[in-house]
Amino acid sequence: AQSVTQLDSQVPVFEEAPVELRCNYSSSVSVYLFWYVQYPNQGLQLLLKYLSGSTLVKGINGFEAEFNKSQTSFHLRKPSVHISDTAEYFCAVSDGGGFKTIFGAGTRLFVKA
Amino acid sequence: GAVVSQHPSWVICKSGTSVKIECRSLDFQATTMFWYRQFPKQSLMLMATSNEGSKATYEQGVEKDKFLINHASLTLSTLTVTSAHPEDSSFYICSAIGSGSPTDTQYFGPGTRLTVL
Repeated sequence: AQSVTQLDSQVPVFEEAPVELRCNYSSSVSVYLFWYVQYPNQGLQLLLKYLSGSTLVKGINGFEAEFNKSQTSFHLRKPSVHISDTAEYFCAVSDGGGFKTIFGAGTRLFVKA
Repeated sequence: GAVVSQHPSWVICKSGTSVKIECRSLDFQATTMFWYRQFPKQSLMLMATSNEGSKATYEQGVEKDKFLINHASLTLSTLTVTSAHPEDSSFYICSAIGSGSPTDTQYFGPGTRLTVL
């Protein structure tokens, strides 16, 4: 069975500071990894995904994530955040055998001026 | 990019009534659609997976007679909450996959907030 653990429920950070949102997963098979962002009362928007190949994945809005197989991690980073990045961020995993996607509990990023 | 819409965006109903939520892929054909439920400040919980023209596959613990899913066409899936009760109040989100590949991107709808009085 697969699972996703987002290690921080909330991350407060000042504007223009760097941020890292942590995600660890467990799976017995090869996985696909995703980060999504959710703004209040909206659906989810894909930030980036790792399917294979380069372990450093670049996404939209200046975000990037690094797949670390030995540490089973897929942490999300941004070198300089903006007020508009305030949102809920979800890490997710799916396997190659089907479509089922498991979501982490979410991390609320709060960017302060 | 691909767009998925949901209708209505919010609905308030009385206990005991049924509510239908529509999920449409606007500019692509969705071979597979998913229905999720999200409680306040919590993650998304997959309720069911539906493929066009076949019965939905429900996750463990989800009552298939209460949450009726119909995927009648490649662009439309509906979720009907039958005999709704206050505990069914939640944010319901659908998503869709186009090509049928597990590596394909899921496109999410904006969600429907259901409040049962």
